[in-house]
Amino acid sequence: DQQVKQNSPSLSVQEGRISILNCDYTNSMFDYFLWYKKYPAEGPTFLISISSIKDKNEDGRFTVFLNKSAKHLSLHIVPSQPGDSAVYFCAASAFASNTGKLIFGQGTTLQVKP
Amino acid sequence: DTEVTQTPKHLVMGMTNKKSLKCEQHMGHRAMYWYKQKAKKPPELMFVYSYEKLSINESVPSRFSPECPNSSLLNLHLHALQPEDSALYLCASSLHTGTNYNEQFFGPGTRLTVL
Repeated sequence: DQQVKQNSPSLSVQEGRISILNCDYTNSMFDYFLWYKKYPAEGPTFLISISSIKDKNEDGRFTVFLNKSAKHLSLHIVPSQPGDSAVYFCAASAFASNTGKLIFGQGTTLQVKP
Repeated sequence: DTEVTQTPKHLVMGMTNKKSLKCEQHMGHRAMYWYKQKAKKPPELMFVYSYEKLSINESVPSRFSPECPNSSLLNLHLHALQPEDSALYLCASSLHTGTNYNEQFFGPGTRLTVL
């Protein structure tokens, strides 16, 4: 049972445009969400996170939106740059579990075309 | 120092070999993690250490044996692996396991090939 889903395996956008990556989750106990970016043969790099007490968090070109009622979050990248081309993983955790365990989605490969 | 380091970067081993993967962080983090990642798949959690004690073992086969000698170091001992164990092994660390805003920082990984 996949608790965190990224239904789009890939996304292609033009440089300078907005990239929107989506993530859905099923476990209502999740209360903290993170986005990681991964280049081939490297470890994931933390991008941005959001707590369930917020509906938006912004950091430079990256904004994460959380819709708890829909159990949906999205990552917006504006403007998109060719260097943003990578695999993006959404991850979720449940504070109450006290385990630090992250549940990852399957990833979305973003390609930003010059 | 805000990075997690892992050695070796690449490892090729036979099914009868014994080898170890090493991970180090100097961020004062008290939680450390081992993940396994296959191509085009998300990282899969293997083990969690919290304050140098093993707190989670995700039903990992005993041919993988973790060790946390101190708060900065994490090892993964490998013995009698199978070819299907070939993967990218990632180490991560975080402040601790019990709070939010507890981002995990990943190392670059060890690419393991089992022949």
